[in-house]
Amino acid sequence: GENVEQHPSTLSVQEGDSAVIKCTYSDSASNYFPWYKQELGKRPQLIIDIRSNVGEKKDQRIAVTLNKTAKHFSLHITETQPEDSAVYFCAASRVGPHAGGTSYGKLTFGQGTILTVHP
Amino acid sequence: NAGVTQTPKFQVLKTGQSMTLQCAQDMNHNSMYWYRQDPGMGLRLIYYSASEGTTDKGEVPNGYNVSRLNKREFSLRLESAAPSQTSVYFCAGSFGGGTTDTQYFGPGTRLTVL
Repeated sequence: GENVEQHPSTLSVQEGDSAVIKCTYSDSASNYFPWYKQELGKRPQLIIDIRSNVGEKKDQRIAVTLNKTAKHFSLHITETQPEDSAVYFCAASRVGPHAGGTSYGKLTFGQGTILTVHP
Repeated sequence: NAGVTQTPKFQVLKTGQSMTLQCAQDMNHNSMYWYRQDPGMGLRLIYYSASEGTTDKGEVPNGYNVSRLNKREFSLRLESAAPSQTSVYFCAGSFGGGTTDTQYFGPGTRLTVL
């Protein structure tokens, strides 16, 4: 099955700095890579995702890059703010009409990164 | 729309007791999932239902059973609770079948087994 490794486990930055979180995956058939943010005591919520046919995707201050050959993808947050403080999870999955099999739609999550942004 | 809802929010059980965690969604999701979240281990899939009438094991199914009662509801049952099942449980739903598959999570159930 799929295995997702996430680093670092904790990340501390000053407000305004950039933050980068990296994940590697093992299953070359995975084609969908979402990132979730979980604030303390809250549910995980999707912040950005990327498909394997795209190398980079950006949404305001957050971006995700994907290297299919190396099987790794990264989350980049620029101009960090205190409200970015949370736990961030990467995940990998097979989706789409041709994914098929018992792996379809099953997200495998990384272990999470606790991001702290100091004012 | 309420989205994905879970009951109860908190529960304390004694070892050996049984209970059912309830999950419902009004987003017309085809697929539904149960995860457990433990410190330092991320979210691990317990069971999922790709569509109404089907269920399948995830990464950590031992000690659990599920029922997809209808398209809206997906319950998780602990037949004989153990302290190792102390965790936060999240239900999630997704539309499935597309080129992306956003999962929408419920608020979670914090379970303690003494």
